[in-house]
Amino acid sequence: NAGVTQTPKFRVLKTGQSMTLLCAQDMNHEYMYWYRQDPGMGLRLIHYSVGEGTTAKGEVPDGYNVSRLKKQNFLLGLESAAPSQTSVYFCASSLRGGLLPNNEQFFGPGTRLTVL
Amino acid sequence: AQKVTQAQTEISVVEKEDVTLDCVYETRDTTYYLFWYKQPPSGELVFLIRRNSFDEQNEISGRYSWNFQKSTSSFNFTITASQVVDSAVYFCALSRRDDKIIFGKGTRLHILP
Repeated sequence: NAGVTQTPKFRVLKTGQSMTLLCAQDMNHEYMYWYRQDPGMGLRLIHYSVGEGTTAKGEVPDGYNVSRLKKQNFLLGLESAAPSQTSVYFCASSLRGGLLPNNEQFFGPGTRLTVL
Repeated sequence: AQKVTQAQTEISVVEKEDVTLDCVYETRDTTYYLFWYKQPPSGELVFLIRRNSFDEQNEISGRYSWNFQKSTSSFNFTITASQVVDSAVYFCALSRRDDKIIFGKGTRLHILP
């Protein structure tokens, strides 16, 4: 099992460019999450999904869009990148969520994005 | 409000010393889960443990142990006989009813050889 994988690992964008980050999991998990990690800020939730075809906003959703067309994939899009979106992006998945058992999240290796 | 506080921003200890990382949480839920994650210098986030709010029994896994006390809303993590490989950022986290997990800001642990 590959677990949670993220593509790409690194990316440099110019302000205004767009891109899509791909997250894939092979654990048949229902829940998927996108976080960003900035120095001193910990992990902040961008968007999440509780199942195929569903998405919901997290703590910092502005400037990002997501799609979950297939259960195993969760895409994060930046339509018009800004320097404030320079960060490390982590995808995570869990079998369940909320206050149910098996709600621990498993993380991908991260994507380091720089916006110039 | 739900919140996770890791008051220790950074800790340095000499190898083989014991070290405890503190985690204090706030929640109104009667059922909840607490987690610890490790982020080594390589950057990935590794799940260490999940604890149910109804289970206050301490957990030990090798050199790692966790002390959960509902009375003080704490879920502390102790590394016994620390090793250089334990150097990492450690995050405590709390589950929420709305399918999210709240993370603390992390404690950076340096184990000095």
